[in-house]
Amino acid sequence: DTEVTQTPKHLVMGMTNKKSLKCEQHMGHRAMYWYKQKAKKPPELMFVYSYEKLSINESVPSRFSPECPNSSLLNLHLHALQPEDSALYLCASSLSGGYTFGSGTRLTVV
Amino acid sequence: GNSVTQMEGPVTLSEEAFLTINCTYTATGYPSLFWYVQYPGEGLQLLLKATKADDKGSNKGFEATYRKETTSFHLEKGSVQVSDSAVYFCALSGRTNTGNQFYFGTGTSLTVIP
Repeated sequence: DTEVTQTPKHLVMGMTNKKSLKCEQHMGHRAMYWYKQKAKKPPELMFVYSYEKLSINESVPSRFSPECPNSSLLNLHLHALQPEDSALYLCASSLSGGYTFGSGTRLTVV
Repeated sequence: GNSVTQMEGPVTLSEEAFLTINCTYTATGYPSLFWYVQYPGEGLQLLLKATKADDKGSNKGFEATYRKETTSFHLEKGSVQVSDSAVYFCALSGRTNTGNQFYFGTGTSLTVIP
């Protein structure tokens, strides 16, 4: 298995909703990442988990809450989002340098 | 510090034209270099990579050579196809105080017309 799987692929949520994005990999990678990407822009790093511990939080608002239940899973819990949070959310994992990206969750906040 | 500077787009080419997308980098130590491609509505796919100086990465007719003397990793393809239309990101993986971290260029949008 050489993939990073993200679900759901598309999500529409209201500003008062609570939802979660899920990311899964079975490559034995011990670093996992959440990125946010706006159209035709490079991905922006949000969070880094290394060996299931949060190692980097790039000053992301608290309405985004990451969770790493085990070495294969990474979640991103969403609450009280704003319309400007609409974007493609990408998960990635790495072992030694190169990243493998998931296909992303396209999030629309209405 | 670590950073990637990438050729501004958008780029529009006719089918079978030659493609070059320039990428230069600054880095501490010895980074690994990557090109990622993003097709419309999709995530990022690794196109090719090089891990040390003078390495050449290649895939699907695309090539890039890690040039330490010019700190460059330009992407080339001899004959582009309509299906190559996508956004291309140059990236490096470099050491920081908190471990390896990825740095992306701004992306170059390529449109190939028949």
